[in-house]
Amino acid sequence: GQNIDQPTEMTATEGAIVQINCTYQTSGFNGLFWYQQHAGEAPTFLSYNVLDGLEEKGRFSSFLSRSKGYSYLLLKELQMKDSASYLCAGVDGDYKLSFGAGTTVTVRA
Amino acid sequence: GAVVSQHPSWVICKSGTSVKIECRSLDFQATTMFWYRQFPKQSLMLMATSNEGSKATYEQGVEKDKFLINHASLTLSTLTVTSAHPEDSSFYICSAGSSGDRIEAFFGQGTRLTVV
Repeated sequence: GQNIDQPTEMTATEGAIVQINCTYQTSGFNGLFWYQQHAGEAPTFLSYNVLDGLEEKGRFSSFLSRSKGYSYLLLKELQMKDSASYLCAGVDGDYKLSFGAGTTVTVRA
Repeated sequence: GAVVSQHPSWVICKSGTSVKIECRSLDFQATTMFWYRQFPKQSLMLMATSNEGSKATYEQGVEKDKFLINHASLTLSTLTVTSAHPEDSSFYICSAGSSGDRIEAFFGQGTRLTVV
């Protein structure tokens, strides 16, 4: 499995940018997922990185460095609806996900 | 993207009774499905790996006789919480993997279990 570390919480203002860092220790590492989860709901897919580099999808971007065991999720032009928990998860070759504790992002007006 | 359907979305049961949760992959075959549990304000914790046609693999600390997993077909896995107690109240989520150009992992909607 993987050991996943990410900050517990972050606060930012509407329209700002927030970067959520995630570090991992690998065991059969086969990519890294970012999920968004609102309270009481299942996680929803945001991104998947398996190669080094930055992947951009609209306001959300995700970066991976396999050599450094490091990833980040970048949220741009923050909106109130972006207030949620963001989960970093490493995946092995058997599709088993190991989740970090999640980062609660609070967007303030 | 692929769809994983989980049922029921929520259930309330009496202490001592059993509850069955279903997880279906709707448009792909899943030889492996995963069951997670999430307590309030905590992350998802893997409970077990459900393998089609064979026994499930449980994570350390998860009672296999209490959380029965059956993966009878390539599209259906079930989790039965037996003799439920209030401390089993939690959010249970299944996921399934799909291979293609890259690995994808899809989650069911989750089941909120409340044991009273």
